[in-house]
Amino acid sequence: QVQLVESGGGVVQPGGSLRLSCAASGFTFSSYGMHWVRQAPGKGLEWVAFIRYDGSNKYYADSVKGRFTISRDNSKNTLYLQMNSLRAEDTAVYYCAKDPRIAIAFDYWGQGTLVTVSS
Amino acid sequence: QSALTQPRSVSGSPGQSVTISCTGTSSDVGGYNYVSWYQQHPGKAPKLMIYDVSKRPSGVPDRFSGSKSGNTASLTISGLQAEDEADYYCCSYAGSYTFYVVFGGGTKLTVL
Repeated sequence: QVQLVESGGGVVQPGGSLRLSCAASGFTFSSYGMHWVRQAPGKGLEWVAFIRYDGSNKYYADSVKGRFTISRDNSKNTLYLQMNSLRAEDTAVYYCAKDPRIAIAFDYWGQGTLVTVSS
Repeated sequence: QSALTQPRSVSGSPGQSVTISCTGTSSDVGGYNYVSWYQQHPGKAPKLMIYDVSKRPSGVPDRFSGSKSGNTASLTISGLQAEDEADYYCCSYAGSYTFYVVFGGGTKLTVL
């Protein structure tokens, strides 16, 4: 069965950096696009970034463009999110989610990792 | 790109039907048949319930249905059950010259 496990969250000071990882299993990782979606405490969902199956194209929400970088290592079945110049408003649970390929949607989600930006 | 508009809360009694609306613009909901809906229970990850406006993934009960008219999409849950109580989020493709996705603010469904 599809499994997505995020890691790398924690507490970081404003202006700092953090790298999240998402380990995938149960499907052919190299055949599917992948997303990061975040949820601030008590708030709604916000799409963050998308990377195509082969890493050829990457797309970002306006709120993170220029600060965050999505990447993947298909040999390790792992998705990454490098987050730089972090702000208090980046505080959220970050989910990785699988693209179903047949639709623009998120068909499987990890359990999320919490990032807290605070001094 | 702005967030889609959903009612903050809806409620219904067991066995009844409820409909949650999701209003966008011609640049997102009205422009593409790429609306999806997600159910989220407290402390849990979201779950895909509807994609491509009205398609149900395998395993999702047929009590859940989706539709769209103009710039507004809707999720209808019939035969309400206690376990349907959750937050529901709509989502739409919104990219014109690039890939972009927007979510609604979420709707809290209470089963009375």
